[in-house]
Amino acid sequence: QLQLQESGPGLVKPSETLSLTCTVSGGSISSTSYYWGWIRQPPGKGLEWIGSIYYSGNTYYNPSLKSRITISVDTSKNQFSLKLSSVTAADTAVYYCARRKNPPNFDYWGQGTLVTVSS
Amino acid sequence: DIPMTQSPSSLSASVGDRVTITCRASQSISTYLNWYQHKPGKAPKLLIYAASSLQTGVPSSFSGSGSGTDFTLTISSLQPEDFATYYCQQSYSTPYTFGQGTKVEIK
Repeated sequence: QLQLQESGPGLVKPSETLSLTCTVSGGSISSTSYYWGWIRQPPGKGLEWIGSIYYSGNTYYNPSLKSRITISVDTSKNQFSLKLSSVTAADTAVYYCARRKNPPNFDYWGQGTLVTVSS
Repeated sequence: DIPMTQSPSSLSASVGDRVTITCRASQSISTYLNWYQHKPGKAPKLLIYAASSLQTGVPSSFSGSGSGTDFTLTISSLQPEDFATYYCQQSYSTPYTFGQGTKVEIK
């Protein structure tokens, strides 16, 4: 059974960089059939797609966040990561990692991790 | 971006009721429409993909329909475990966008 698990600091200071890692188990991140993505949900709000990455490193990002996002993959560790720079309180959210299959949909999700931006 | 609009934003229903949630895209998205169930503190769960295909393991009480701009998620007989928030999501083009959610509560 495929499992995804987010990890990283739960508290980040304003203007700093949020860094999260998603560890994939029960399957290979190098599968040619899937992309891997990040989605977030601010408190009391809906879901927002952040971006996705292929095992080869090909990425595509939400234009609303593109200038601040870097998503990378480490196939040797079966992990992919998110970096979001210059964070503000508006970036406080539960961050989920997920697998994207075709036709595009997110069929496996991590449990999510709450990241709070506060001094 | 393709904004997605769900209605209603919330509803109250009883166990055994038939429930219908609608989702409208601001432009045609063919059948690139997915539905998710989300419970507090849990990972969202894929229910329906490509507008009408049932994800493996999802009860057949869930069904989806529609194409173009108008889509529907139907729960034929609401069960206690179905009380949750439901989101539609378009995957026609990036950035992928979600509806604002429909919270299904116990009447």
